[in-house]
Amino acid sequence: TQLLEQSPQFLSIQEGENLTVYCNSSSVFSSLQWYRQEPGEGPVLLVTVVTGGEVKKLKRLTFQFGDARKDSSLHITAAQPGDTGLYLCADDSNAGNNRKLIWGLGTSLAVNP
Amino acid sequence: EAQVTQNPRYLITVTGKKLTVTCSQNMNHEYMSWYRQDPGLGLRQIYYSMNVEVTDKGDVPEGYKVSRKEKRNFPLILESPSPNQTSLYFCASSFPGRPNTEAFFGQGTRLTVV
Repeated sequence: TQLLEQSPQFLSIQEGENLTVYCNSSSVFSSLQWYRQEPGEGPVLLVTVVTGGEVKKLKRLTFQFGDARKDSSLHITAAQPGDTGLYLCADDSNAGNNRKLIWGLGTSLAVNP
Repeated sequence: EAQVTQNPRYLITVTGKKLTVTCSQNMNHEYMSWYRQDPGLGLRQIYYSMNVEVTDKGDVPEGYKVSRKEKRNFPLILESPSPNQTSLYFCASSFPGRPNTEAFFGQGTRLTVV
């Protein structure tokens, strides 16, 4: 059974700081998705990475996919209070007929003004 | 606006009283699924549906039922709720068989069973 580990579990920083969170898998990802979940809401897709070594940028967010496709990182530059939320990584396993997402437990980020 | 709508958002009920959580999507997605989210356990799939009248169990189906009579709706049924079903529930939809496409989630239903 594939396990996704995210670190750190909790992170509290001041506005303007940079941060990196990580997602590691016990097996190779089919494709990796990063979601952000705000309090009281469902997860919202940020990015999908597929190719080993891939780097994608979304404004102040930079996503990297490891060469071996077993790890990924999310770097936020100059964090803002609006970045507060739970950051989840998921493997889009697309197993047979079941497009099941396998989830990490997430990194809970608090950005303080 | 593309969306997945769940109702109710919050529900407190008593053990054994049947309840239904509704889910509706307006994106013509074939694939829909239900997840529950619990502290320390994350998001776990309960049931999924590939299309109308096609449903199957996910990882934690015990105590739940679903139906898919129409493409847009995928209700979650708890015939006899128990306290261990207290959780945050999410419905999701997407296009099946297309890798790397976005899954859209509802806003969640927070269920408490006392």
